[in-house]
Amino acid sequence: QQQVKQSPQSLIVQKGGISIINCAYENTAFDYFPWYQQFPGKGPALLIAIRPDVSEKKEGRFTISFNKSAKQFSLHIMDSQPGDSATYFCAARVNNAGNMLTFGGGTRLMVKP
Amino acid sequence: NAGVTQTPKFRILKIGQSMTLQCTQDMNHNYMYWYRQDPGMGLKLIYYSVGAGITDKGEVPNGYNVSRSTTEDFPLRLELAAPSQTSVYFCASTRASEQYFGPGTRLTVT
Repeated sequence: QQQVKQSPQSLIVQKGGISIINCAYENTAFDYFPWYQQFPGKGPALLIAIRPDVSEKKEGRFTISFNKSAKQFSLHIMDSQPGDSATYFCAARVNNAGNMLTFGGGTRLMVKP
Repeated sequence: NAGVTQTPKFRILKIGQSMTLQCTQDMNHNYMYWYRQDPGMGLKLIYYSVGAGITDKGEVPNGYNVSRSTTEDFPLRLELAAPSQTSVYFCASTRASEQYFGPGTRLTVT
């Protein structure tokens, strides 16, 4: 059962453009929604995260938009750079004893110079 | 502060062999996790632990075992390796929200 659906699977953006990655979830008990960035050969690293009591969070060029009623959230990368080329994962957590994350399938982003 | 370390980085196993993937964290985190990542796919939770002596199954536990005798270490044991266990394995830890990942172990079973 895939509880977090991520799209697109891959994305090509020109340098300076906006990259947009979308995620949808089913479980209304999720209370924390992080985005992870993974470079080839490395482990994922936290990029930015949001809780459902806010609709938007911005950190530098990275913004999460959150729509609680639609059960959707998205990552926007403004002024995309070649160094942003990586795989991005959305995730969601139920605040239970395990603090476990459920991950989306990932989006491979390529930013062309 | 090394964070989360994993050994080995790479390993090739023959079908039916066994091995242990090592994971150590030096951040005094209570929660630790093992994931597998198949090509082009997301991360699937294998096992997790909420503290020393306490472990539980995740989404895909079959063919694996874990133990947690100390806060720092969370080894993953593969018994009777199968080709379906070819994957990249990541260990992670957290105190509350942000999970910190190790660099991964790339395992091939042939």
